[in-house]
Amino acid sequence: GQQVMQIPQYQHVQEGEDFTTYCNSSTTLSNIQWYKQRPGGHPVFLIQLVKSGEVKKQKRLTFQFGEAKKNSSLHITATQTTDVGTYFCAGYIMEYGNKLVFGAGTILRVKS
Amino acid sequence: EPEVTQTPSHQVTQMGQEVILRCVPISNHLYFYWYRQILGQKVEFLVSFYNNEISEKSEIFDDQFSVERPDGSNFTLKIRSTKLEDSAMYFCASSDRVNSYEQYFGPGTRLTVT
Repeated sequence: GQQVMQIPQYQHVQEGEDFTTYCNSSTTLSNIQWYKQRPGGHPVFLIQLVKSGEVKKQKRLTFQFGEAKKNSSLHITATQTTDVGTYFCAGYIMEYGNKLVFGAGTILRVKS
Repeated sequence: EPEVTQTPSHQVTQMGQEVILRCVPISNHLYFYWYRQILGQKVEFLVSFYNNEISEKSEIFDDQFSVERPDGSNFTLKIRSTKLEDSAMYFCASSDRVNSYEQYFGPGTRLTVT
């Protein structure tokens, strides 16, 4: 079936270090969304990218959408303990309409 | 800020029993969704619902599952005969696709099938 792959599965960083998670699809995505899920919580929408090559920033977070609309990344600069959680990418795959396919998520732990 | 609500927060049921999970989407939203997340795993799409009918469903959403919008505010997921493997967190989400694809998730219902 359609899949969205995400790496790494888990990352443990020292507070102040940077963090990046990568998302890759075997097929072209209509758009890609990023969600954050705190431990014990529910997914919370962060951002949506639609255009090929798009880059968006939210404070210390930078989101990129690949030129071929098959990959994306989320980069956090100078992590803080409040960044702890699981970051999921999720994409709408063109052939499959209104069905959001989630990646497996990257668990971020931050040591203070 | 408007939010999606879900009840109950935790449901324990015996294998073979029927369960109904309830959701109240954000009031002006038009699209409704159910997802499940088995503990420690990724979020999996189950079904989307628009204009009082299912618009998409996944392979997981078999004949044991059904959804309904019984009135103007509630959106329910029914599992007719629960199996052990149905144990998971079930999230409801809603969106207003007029403006964006952003989905707002509810807090979830943890379903435990014994």
